[in-house]
Amino acid sequence: QVQLQESGPGLVKPSQTLSLTCTVSGGSISSGGYYWSWIRQHPGKGLEWIGYIYYSGSTSYNPSLKSRVTISVDTSKNQFSLRLTSVTTADTAMYYCARDVFVVANYYGMDVWGQGTTVTVSS
Amino acid sequence: EIVLTQSPATLSLSPGERATLSCRASQSVHSYLAWYQQKPGQAPRLLIYDASNRATGIPARFSGSGSGTDFTLTISSLEPEDFAIYYCQQRSNWPYTFGQGTKLEIK
Repeated sequence: QVQLQESGPGLVKPSQTLSLTCTVSGGSISSGGYYWSWIRQHPGKGLEWIGYIYYSGSTSYNPSLKSRVTISVDTSKNQFSLRLTSVTTADTAMYYCARDVFVVANYYGMDVWGQGTTVTVSS
Repeated sequence: EIVLTQSPATLSLSPGERATLSCRASQSVHSYLAWYQQKPGQAPRLLIYDASNRATGIPARFSGSGSGTDFTLTISSLEPEDFAIYYCQQRSNWPYTFGQGTKLEIK
């Protein structure tokens, strides 16, 4: 079955760039109907959808982060990535990648999640 | 941005009891609503999609209902492993959003 695995530094300094990669195994990132997403969860808080990318490269970003976020896809490596610039302590969170399924006007939910990776912003 | 308001914030019940969790949207999300369960230290798990369809492998005691702005997740008879935090999520309007969660705790 499809599995997702996040990777990247667990500690980032303020004002620097947070970079994470999600590796997709057991299936192709190029399959239609899948929107490869990044979600974060601040400590003890709820979930925030950062953005998503389609295998074609089409993206959507949360307006609250839009000026700082870039999501990209590498179909040859079956990976997609998150870049968040100018980080502050407010970006300290658990970061999840997930597969969001929307096919022919039907929504099937985020059915596969990575285990998550903790990112701490601190000097 | 569509705001999802979940109630109650905390629900205290005993195993075997019925749990009813509510999710209200600030505007219609049609049926583009999902429910997730999250346990400590784990990623969320999809329970219900398209408001009322159980995800693969989800026990029949979980059911979802509603459309438009009012949705309900029902757990017919609580098992010990059901005590967790539950989130609703809409995929009608970008940015897609989550409710703040309902914590289901053992009474």
